Amino acid sequence: GENVEQHPSTLSVQEGDSAVIKCTYSDSASNYFPWYKQELGKRPQLIIDIRSNVGEKKDQRIAVTLNKTAKHFSLHITETQPEDSAVYFCAASKQSSGTYKYIFGTGTRLKVLA
Amino acid sequence: GAGVSQSPSNKVTEKGKDVELRCDPISGHTALYWYRQSLGQGLEFLIYFQGNSAPDKSGLPSDRFSAERTGGSVSTLTIQRTQQEDSAVYLCASSLDSGVDTQYFGPGTRLTVL
Repeated sequence: GENVEQHPSTLSVQEGDSAVIKCTYSDSASNYFPWYKQELGKRPQLIIDIRSNVGEKKDQRIAVTLNKTAKHFSLHITETQPEDSAVYFCAASKQSSGTYKYIFGTGTRLKVLA
Repeated sequence: GAGVSQSPSNKVTEKGKDVELRCDPISGHTALYWYRQSLGQGLEFLIYFQGNSAPDKSGLPSDRFSAERTGGSVSTLTIQRTQQEDSAVYLCASSLDSGVDTQYFGPGTRLTVL
């Protein structure tokens, strides 16, 4: 069945460095790729998303890249700050016969060391 | 406007009891999802409602789990004969139209089965 693999499961970086989280998906028909951030004890919240007609999208310090041929997409966080510490989830979704498949990755715990 | 709300925020129950968890989606959102998140783990998809279509129940872990969505708005997740392994945070999310839209999560219900 469809699945989304996410790596790494944990990531520690020094404050100011960049962080990269990668996801691969199995269903080539997937066309929507959001990223969610979940701070400790809080609900997941969307931070950025990309659709399959776009290769890259940026929003200040965060960016997402999509390689449809290779079926992978990545989250890039530059100039990391302590408040970036959280669990990040990728997801892949598609519309199929009136319903959808929205599959989350297993999450990456990012720690930004001051 | 108001976000997704869930009640109760915490529920402690004894093994074998039934529980009902409630989700109020954002007004006007036609899609509603339930997820389960065990401590430190990812988002486990349970069930998805889209408008008046039959729900996608493919994620429900057993026949002790069921969900309803009345009038296309409020949803109730029911767990019968609870087991200790049901202990987790149950998250509800809604999106405007479909699985290719942003999901807005509620604060979750923390269920503890003693």
